[in-house]
Amino acid sequence: GESVGLHLPTLSVQEGDNSIINCAYSNSASDYFIWYKQESGKGPQFIIDIRSNMDKRQGQRVTVLLNKTVKHLSLQIAATQPGDSAVYFCAEIQNTGNQFYFGTGTSLTVIP
Amino acid sequence: EPEVTQTPSHQVTQMGQEVILRCVPISNHLYFYWYRQILGQKVEFLVSFYNNEISEKSEIFDDQFSVERPDGSNFTLKIRSTKLEDSAMYFCASQEWDGNEKLFFGSGTQLSVL
Repeated sequence: GESVGLHLPTLSVQEGDNSIINCAYSNSASDYFIWYKQESGKGPQFIIDIRSNMDKRQGQRVTVLLNKTVKHLSLQIAATQPGDSAVYFCAEIQNTGNQFYFGTGTSLTVIP
Repeated sequence: EPEVTQTPSHQVTQMGQEVILRCVPISNHLYFYWYRQILGQKVEFLVSFYNNEISEKSEIFDDQFSVERPDGSNFTLKIRSTKLEDSAMYFCASQEWDGNEKLFFGSGTQLSVL
């Protein structure tokens, strides 16, 4: 079946370093992707999105890269801060509907 | 900044009881969703709702579940007879228009079925 998954369940980085969180997806029909941040006890918070006609998109301190050839999505966080500690999910939407599929999540811990 | 609000934040119920989870989506949004997240697992789609009817639903959304938009602002999820395995965090989300547009999530209702 179709799946969205993350390579690493946990990631620890030093404050100030850059973080890279990866995501693999299996459905080549997916055409829109979102990265969400989820802090403990809260709902998913939108970070950045990218459409399948792009391979890179930048926001404030974050960059999303999309490699459709290998069905891989990554989130890069520059100068990681303690407030970035959270679980990060990638989500995909397939062009046949409006249902988002979420990955399992990667827990990012920023060490001061 | 507009946000999706959910009430209650926590709900404890006995197995077999009915629960209603409430959501107020962002006011100009047209598409509404319920997702759930069992502790430690990924966020799972339950149902989407547009123009006062269900547009998509997952296998999880069986006959025990129903959704309603009783007025112009509220969007509710009802579980008719709760089971232990319904214990999860339930998230409401809304979307301005369908397809490729970001979902805004509420903070969730933690449902505990005893």
